[in-house]
Amino acid sequence: DAGVIQSPRHEVTEMGQEVTLRCKPISGHDYLFWYRQTMMRGLELLIYFNNNVPIDDSGMPEDRFSAKMPNASFSTLKIQPSEPRDSAVYFCASSWGGGESQPQHFGDGTRLSIL
Amino acid sequence: AQKVTQAQTEISVVEKEDVTLDCVYETRDTTYYLFWYKQPPSGELVFLIRRNSFDEQNEISGRYSWNFQKSTSSFNFTITASQVVDSAVYFCALSEYTNAGKSTFGDGTTLTVKP
Repeated sequence: DAGVIQSPRHEVTEMGQEVTLRCKPISGHDYLFWYRQTMMRGLELLIYFNNNVPIDDSGMPEDRFSAKMPNASFSTLKIQPSEPRDSAVYFCASSWGGGESQPQHFGDGTRLSIL
Repeated sequence: AQKVTQAQTEISVVEKEDVTLDCVYETRDTTYYLFWYKQPPSGELVFLIRRNSFDEQNEISGRYSWNFQKSTSSFNFTITASQVVDSAVYFCALSEYTNAGKSTFGDGTTLTVKP
């Protein structure tokens, strides 16, 4: 079975540009999570969806960040405008049927560098 | 509020030594789930084990074993006869039944196994 697929794997862009990260969860999974990982702050949950509906976005750092899940097989995380402090590895994860009890399956991550 | 503490930031051992990674958690829920994930140098996060709050049986899987003690709110992970391939960052995580879908991750323990 295909795992969680994220694209792009690496993104380098200049400050002020719009960045869009993409995620395809595992088929049949009804929870989708976006995380950010940095050396300073560790692994942070940004937002998560259940059945395509955002449940908790309290981890989204500011209005420059937005996430959507238009259908069960696709989600995006957008940063506009991007800033150097947004540089991090962004992970998407999905889980099935009761997120509180099931393990999360992570994508390989997108390594984002904002110059 | 749920909280996970991994007090050991970094551990270094020589191959074939046994090593224990500590995880202490806080929760007010009586129903909750604990997880361990591994993040090798390649960067992906891999699920290792899940435990629910009603099952305090220790578990062994090959060289890996987990000790869950509700009395001390701990869920420790032991690697027996460590190998260089065990070098990774290990994360402990907690999901509460009343906070469906959301996992709180510890800061991780970086394990280095030297040949």
